[in-house]
Amino acid sequence: AQKITQTQPGMFVQEKEAVTLDCTYDTSDPSYGLFWYKQPSSGEMIFLIYQGSYDQQNATEGRYSLNFQKARKSANLVISASQLGDSAMYFCAMRDIKAAGNKLTFGGGTRVLVKP
Amino acid sequence: DTGVSQDPRHKITKRGQNVTFRCDPISEHNRLYWYRQTLGQGPEFLTYFQNEAQLEKSRLLSDRFSAERPKGSFSTLEIQRTEQGDSAMYLCASSLLSAPSNEQFFGPGTRLTVL
Repeated sequence: AQKITQTQPGMFVQEKEAVTLDCTYDTSDPSYGLFWYKQPSSGEMIFLIYQGSYDQQNATEGRYSLNFQKARKSANLVISASQLGDSAMYFCAMRDIKAAGNKLTFGGGTRVLVKP
Repeated sequence: DTGVSQDPRHKITKRGQNVTFRCDPISEHNRLYWYRQTLGQGPEFLTYFQNEAQLEKSRLLSDRFSAERPKGSFSTLEIQRTEQGDSAMYLCASSLLSAPSNEQFFGPGTRLTVL
């Protein structure tokens, strides 16, 4: 069974600084995908970034980058130049590519609060 | 706006009542998912459809829960004889089977409160 662990329940970060959100995963399947979603207080899950298990390069999307360390089974999200609008819950999720439907397994989330 | 929409956004009901939620996915997306999220937790998978076929159901989906996607477009999730433990955010997501990363796009959710 797949498992996602986010060990940081909450973090404060100063505006304009970078923050790293930890995510470790456990799977026995060599083919999988890793996602990060942002959930503001409004409730909607917003897709941020994706990393495939066979991707050679770490994924980047604007201010978001994913530090993928396959041997350590970690997929940490780095948010650079934090903005007040980055205050939200952040969820790491994994998709088993071989599983029917590619359902997502989520971690427990990390709450980020950006201070001005 | 062509994102995923859900209706209603909030629902308050009394224990024992039936409730039904609706999800309208992104129009060309052939996969549709339902997740449940309780306070302070990540979403948990409930069920998914590929077109109109319901292909997988989680063991979280008790007999009181039923989901349909009659024409492969919108979907409904019904909870019969609601219990206080059903109080949660119900999230719908859709994806395109042929997309490389098959990322799921989520709706705003329906927050259910059972009194």
